[in-house]
Amino acid sequence: DQQVKQNSPSLSVQEGRISILNCDYTNSMFDYFLWYKKYPAEGPTFLISISSIKDKNEDGRFTVFLNKSAKHLSLHIVPSQPGDSAVYFCAASPDAGGTSYGKLTFGQGTILTVHP
Amino acid sequence: KAGVTQTPRYLIKTRGQQVTLSCSPISGHRSVSWYQQTPGQGLQFLFEYFSETQRNKGNFPGRFSGRQFSNSRSEMNVSTLELGDSALYLCASSRGQQDTEAFFGQGTRLTVV
Repeated sequence: DQQVKQNSPSLSVQEGRISILNCDYTNSMFDYFLWYKKYPAEGPTFLISISSIKDKNEDGRFTVFLNKSAKHLSLHIVPSQPGDSAVYFCAASPDAGGTSYGKLTFGQGTILTVHP
Repeated sequence: KAGVTQTPRYLIKTRGQQVTLSCSPISGHRSVSWYQQTPGQGLQFLFEYFSETQRNKGNFPGRFSGRQFSNSRSEMNVSTLELGDSALYLCASSRGQQDTEAFFGQGTRLTVV
């Protein structure tokens, strides 16, 4: 049972355009969401996060949107750059008290390719 | 500020052997989580330690174990290695509180032959 889903295995965009990466979740206990960027054989790099009390969070070229009623979040990258080409993972953390902290459930990832 | 350090970066072991991986978290972080990444299963949570106590555990067999020391450094041990244990093992460091980011190390690539 995959609780966090990234339904698009890959996404290709032109440099300068917007990249939109999507993520859906099923567990209503999830209340904190994160996006990571990953290169092969390296650890994920934290990009941006959002708490369930917000519906939007921005950091430079990265914006994350959260729609709690739809159990959906998205990461927007504007403008996209060739260096953004990587695998992007969304992850979720539940609010189930202290024992839940530190456990992230990841989606399967989306390969983003930004063409010059 | 130093990041998360994992050692070794690469390991080759034989079936049936055991292995110990090490993770040094970011200074001031008290939580260390371990994840396994394989092509078929993606990133899966193994367990999390906070202040030397295992606080959370994923669905892995008992061959996978860990511990955390008083300086927050953590080790993960896998006994009786199987071919299917070949994977990238990642540790993540965080403050271990609600709504805090987790930062990952470079990972240890384990190959079981």
